[in-house]
Amino acid sequence: AQKVTQAQTEISVVEKEDVTLDCVYETRDTTYYLFWYKQPPSGELVFLIRRNSFDEQNEISGRYSWNFQKSTSSFNFTITASQVVDSAVYFCALSENTGTASKLTFGTGTRLQVTL
Amino acid sequence: KAGVTQTPRYLIKTRGQQVTLSCSPISGHRSVSWYQQTPGQGLQFLFEYFSETQRNKGNFPGRFSGRQFSNSRSEMNVSTLELGDSALYLCASSLVQEGTEAFFGQGTRLTVV
Repeated sequence: AQKVTQAQTEISVVEKEDVTLDCVYETRDTTYYLFWYKQPPSGELVFLIRRNSFDEQNEISGRYSWNFQKSTSSFNFTITASQVVDSAVYFCALSENTGTASKLTFGTGTRLQVTL
Repeated sequence: KAGVTQTPRYLIKTRGQQVTLSCSPISGHRSVSWYQQTPGQGLQFLFEYFSETQRNKGNFPGRFSGRQFSNSRSEMNVSTLELGDSALYLCASSLVQEGTEAFFGQGTRLTVV
């Protein structure tokens, strides 16, 4: 069975600090996709990044970067120079079987609080 | 381009009643999935529809059902409501293409009293 673990329940940082959100996953699939979503208080899940199981190259996109390591089944997400608007709940998710986004297994989420 | 639209945004129902929630996907997206979000269980997959057919189903009782129309709009129905059905119900739409992301609506907050 697929499983996603986000051990950090809540993180508080001061604005401009860097913050890393951890994600560990379990799957028997050889092809899979990993995603990070952000959920602000409005409730809508906002897509942030995705990575497929064949591409372990880590990338940076603006203030976001991610570290995908198949050897440790981890897909960590870093926000550089955090801002108050980054305050939200962040979810890591794993696609099942086909790799489409139609059936996602989510972690329990990490609540990020960024203060001035 | 309009996003995923869910209606209504809020609902209050009484135990034993039934409820229907609606979801309009992003234009061109033919896959629609539904998720239930509760403080205790987190985000859980309910079911997915593609071309008016249920393609995947999560581990929920038969009281939870859904359907998809020819224009890809989807509805989900919960019959004989229980207090534990109180949750945020999120709809997501996506292209039927490997690796593509799902786009979520703002959800329907259902409260069962």
